[in-house]
Amino acid sequence: DVKVTQSSRYLVKRTGEKVFLECVQDMDHENMFWYRQDPGLGLRLIYFSYDVKMKEKGDIPEGYSVSREKKERFSLILESASTNQTSMYLCASSLSPSTKETQYFGPGTRLLVL
Amino acid sequence: GENVEQHPSTLSVQEGDSAVIKCTYSDSASNYFPWYKQELGKRPQLIIDIRSNVGEKKDQRIAVTLNKTAKHFSLHITETQPEDSAVYFCAATLNTGGFKTIFGAGTRLFVKA
Repeated sequence: DVKVTQSSRYLVKRTGEKVFLECVQDMDHENMFWYRQDPGLGLRLIYFSYDVKMKEKGDIPEGYSVSREKKERFSLILESASTNQTSMYLCASSLSPSTKETQYFGPGTRLLVL
Repeated sequence: GENVEQHPSTLSVQEGDSAVIKCTYSDSASNYFPWYKQELGKRPQLIIDIRSNVGEKKDQRIAVTLNKTAKHFSLHITETQPEDSAVYFCAATLNTGGFKTIFGAGTRLFVKA
């Protein structure tokens, strides 16, 4: 059974703080993704990674960066948090693209930036 | 880049009726179309998917159809039940080295008992 975990379920930060969101998967998946979910906007892709140390921008990468030093871990970094980054952040992973692309999601981190 | 539009944003049906959710995509290179269901307070989970070489796929009460020419695909739920109430997301996937998945905005389905 695939397990994707995120470091926090709820997080409150102040404007200008550096924020780290971590995601870990235990199924040796090659692909990992970060989305933010906002009402009426669905899931918007921030960044994704298809291999260690590889990353690609999604649709809304501005204000975010990512790190994939190990295969099982994908970190999302908010360099200087702003109030418009208040959102639900979902991490996902999927197996090698040559087989199946089903994404397995983590439980989400609800971030509030004050 | 790829853009996925999903309609309607909200859908209310009576228990036992059918529900249809429609999505269109813009990039003809997209070749994989999953549907995810997200119940209140829970993570999205895959319920059905279809690849571009197939026109229709069915799994019990849910089915998905794909029209590659028109670049649209639909989710059909028959004999709806209250536990079908959730937000449903369609998505289109491109192979750009990794698999980039673009989601629709979601449809909130209410099934009234």
